Amino acid sequence: QKEVEQNSGPLSVPEGAIASLNCTYSDRGSQSFFWYRQYSGKSPELIMFIYSNGDKEDGRFTAQLNKASQYVSLLIRDSQPSDSATYLCAVSANQAGTALIFGKGTTLSVSS
Amino acid sequence: DGGITQSPKYLFRKEGQNVTLSCEQNLNHDAMYWYRQDPGQGLRLIYYSQIVNDFQKGDIAEGYSVSREKKESFPLTVTSAQKNPTAFYLCASTPREGTRNTIYFGEGSWLTVV
Repeated sequence: QKEVEQNSGPLSVPEGAIASLNCTYSDRGSQSFFWYRQYSGKSPELIMFIYSNGDKEDGRFTAQLNKASQYVSLLIRDSQPSDSATYLCAVSANQAGTALIFGKGTTLSVSS
Repeated sequence: DGGITQSPKYLFRKEGQNVTLSCEQNLNHDAMYWYRQDPGQGLRLIYYSQIVNDFQKGDIAEGYSVSREKKESFPLTVTSAQKNPTAFYLCASTPREGTRNTIYFGEGSWLTVV
């Protein structure tokens, strides 16, 4: 069974701090990696995607991928109370176009 | 505007009833998916379809059925065989096969057994 693991949290950080969210995956053949943000009762929305080893930055968000360690992370700089949500890590299973496999999510709480 | 429409947003089911959740997309996407989310949990794949008239079971297909008669539509039926159907159901789609495509979600449907 292919798995995606995340610490469920909650992760609590003060406003303005850096939040670091981590994810590991079991399938070495995984090709694409996504971070989604989900507010309570709402559908997930895409934050970042990354395909290659290294860092990818988009505004306050940085995704980091290390395929050798099967590890992907999301850094949120200058955290805001509006960032308080559940963050889902998702991994594509293989090249055949099968669906994304999701982790259980990490709940982030940013206090003002 | 293009997007994925799920209906109804809230649905109550009596024990022993079958119910069908609708999912329609006007994005011209080939692949469509159904996920289930329980409180505090991640998304679990129920069924997916990569082309019309073809679909595959996901990790938790028991007690569910789907059809894909049209590219735009991928309805999910929750049958009486699904013993614990109360959950948040999400329909999604991607433009085509392949691993580098972003998945788009509908707004979800809440199903409650009464």
